[in-house]
This record gives sequence, C-alpha cells and structure tokens, in this order.
Amino acid sequence: KNQVEQSPQSLIILEGKNCTLQCNYTVSPFSNLRWYKQDTGRGPVSLTIMTFSENTKSNGRYTATLDADTKQSSLHITASQLSDSASYICVVSDRGSTLGRLYFGRGTQLTVWP
Amino acid sequence: EADIYQTPRYLVIGTGKKITLECSQTMGHDKMYWYQQDPGMELHLIHYSYGVNSTEKGDLSSESTVSRIRTEHFPLTLESARPSHTSQYLCASSAGQGKNTGELFFGEGSRLTVL
Repeated sequence: KNQVEQSPQSLIILEGKNCTLQCNYTVSPFSNLRWYKQDTGRGPVSLTIMTFSENTKSNGRYTATLDADTKQSSLHITASQLSDSASYICVVSDRGSTLGRLYFGRGTQLTVWP
Repeated sequence: EADIYQTPRYLVIGTGKKITLECSQTMGHDKMYWYQQDPGMELHLIHYSYGVNSTEKGDLSSESTVSRIRTEHFPLTLESARPSHTSQYLCASSAGQGKNTGELFFGEGSRLTVL
C-alpha cells in the first residue's frame, strides 16, 4: 500500500534554533517528492520538489534531502523564525498511474516560540 | 503569491441547503483539482479536471459535483449539504504535462460548516 508517514506529528522549538522534519514513504514507482508549508487556515505553498536524481534542494532557510534507496526525506529549517510556525506536508507522486497520483502525509505541526 | 482564488473563505449554512464553492485561476493552467482536508489529516482528492469539459472523481467519494466550462473556473456544488460535509475545501491548479501533476498552486481554501 502506498503511504507517506511524517514524524514528528508536532514539534515546538525556540526562535533561532534549527530543526529537522522526517518523511518516510512506500510509494512506488516513485516520480517526485514535494514539501509544502501550510499556515493555519491557508492553502499549502510549495517549498521544494525533488526528482529521483536529486538528493538535496534548498529554498532559503529550508533544505530538503532525499534518499530514494531508503525512501526517506527530511526538511531542515535553519535559524527558525516565528513565521515558520505552520504545518509542513510531505507529498510523494507516483509515475505508475494515469493521474500521476499524489500521496499526502498528515503533516508535522511546527510551533516556533520567541 | 499564486493567482488562484476561492470564495467564500468561510461559510456556515443549515442542513439541506445548496452551496457552490467558487475557484478561479488566472495562470492559464489546464489541470485543476479539489481537495478535502480535515484537521490533522491528509488532503484527499475529490475531483479533478484536465481541461474544459473534462471532470473526474478523485480518490475520496464525495456527494459534490464540479463543472469546467471555462479554463479558469472550476466550481464545486453540493445540492443538499449535511453536517458530514463540514470540512476545509482546497482548490488547486497545475501546468503539468501529460501524467505529470506538476507544481500545485493552492487557493486559500473554503471552510464549510453545516449545522
């Protein structure tokens, strides 16, 4: 069964600290992996998209890594800010279906305290 | 900021009412999607469209219906709302070619509460 599991479910850190969010998936055949940021009450916004051949991708203070062999990805946030408080969603796309189906994780709820 | 808009942002209605959630995008994307999201849960695809006059049901069974008469417009309709329809509805679009979904651009969402 194709699944996307994220950990931790929630995380609280102090402003200025770094943190790493995890995503494990069983989706096969793999096409790409995406990380989205979703502020409370808003729609998700794309942070990164990585294909099979990419193992690191950065977007400002956000750095995503991908290990396609172990089917794991991480999102590292450097020097956190209050505005980083949000849900971070891992999404994996397969290439075996006509739709290019997306499998969504439940997200990690990050809270940054001053 | 993505150019995709949803209205209304919040809607509280009584059981049995008909509602339409509007979604419009100005990016010229052929592919559009409706997702349903409950608190703490993953997004579930309920409808999608590959272009004008193309609509398909998604993975999650839904009593809602959609139409795609114009490229930029993808409204969702519930003929008779029930409390079980209470949820957040997210519209999205993408420029993906063929089977590739491409980067998704989401609207701000419509939070529906049915009393």
